[in-house]
Amino acid sequence: AQSVTQLGSHVSVSEGALVLLRCNYSSSVPPYLFWYVQYPNQGLQLLLKYTSAATLVKGINGFEAEFKKSETSFHLTKPSAHMSDAAEYFCAVSDGQAGTALIFGKGTTLSVSS
Amino acid sequence: DVKVTQSSRYLVKRTGEKVFLECVQDMDHENMFWYRQDPGLGLRLIYFSYDVKMKEKGDIPEGYSVSREKKERFSLILESASTNQTSMYLCASSFARGTANTEAFFGQGTRLTVV
Repeated sequence: AQSVTQLGSHVSVSEGALVLLRCNYSSSVPPYLFWYVQYPNQGLQLLLKYTSAATLVKGINGFEAEFKKSETSFHLTKPSAHMSDAAEYFCAVSDGQAGTALIFGKGTTLSVSS
Repeated sequence: DVKVTQSSRYLVKRTGEKVFLECVQDMDHENMFWYRQDPGLGLRLIYFSYDVKMKEKGDIPEGYSVSREKKERFSLILESASTNQTSMYLCASSFARGTANTEAFFGQGTRLTVV
């Protein structure tokens, strides 16, 4: 069975500071990995995805994530936080096989202060 | 752009009522999903469907059923609504597995309150 663990339910940074949101996964097969963002009272929007190509994945809004198989991690980073980055972020995993769905972590709320 | 549309943004229902949440996608996706989102619990899968008339239970199917009579529409049914089903419900769709495009596209969500 697959699972995702997001370390830290709440992360606070100052505007301009580095953003680091942690995600570790468990999968018995090569995984597909995703980061989604959710703004208040909205659905989820895809930030980026890893599908076994390059291990460093660039997404929208300046975010990127690195797949590290040895650490079973897929941490999300952004060099410089903006106020508009304040939202909830979800990491998700899939094995891409028939009959399966995305499995989500519990989410990390990012707060950005000025 | 892919569009996943949920029929209501906000719903208030009484305990014991039968509740229908409707979801429509316009990208000919094979897969459709219903998730429930609660604070501190993330998204939990209720049911999903990989083809018309096909359904699979997710992690928390109790108290729910689904219907998929047409490829573009996936309905979630609360047979007898209870207060512990007060939550945000998110519908999603995706292409079939086995391709690189396995990400799910989400609707705006339905915030259901059962009183």
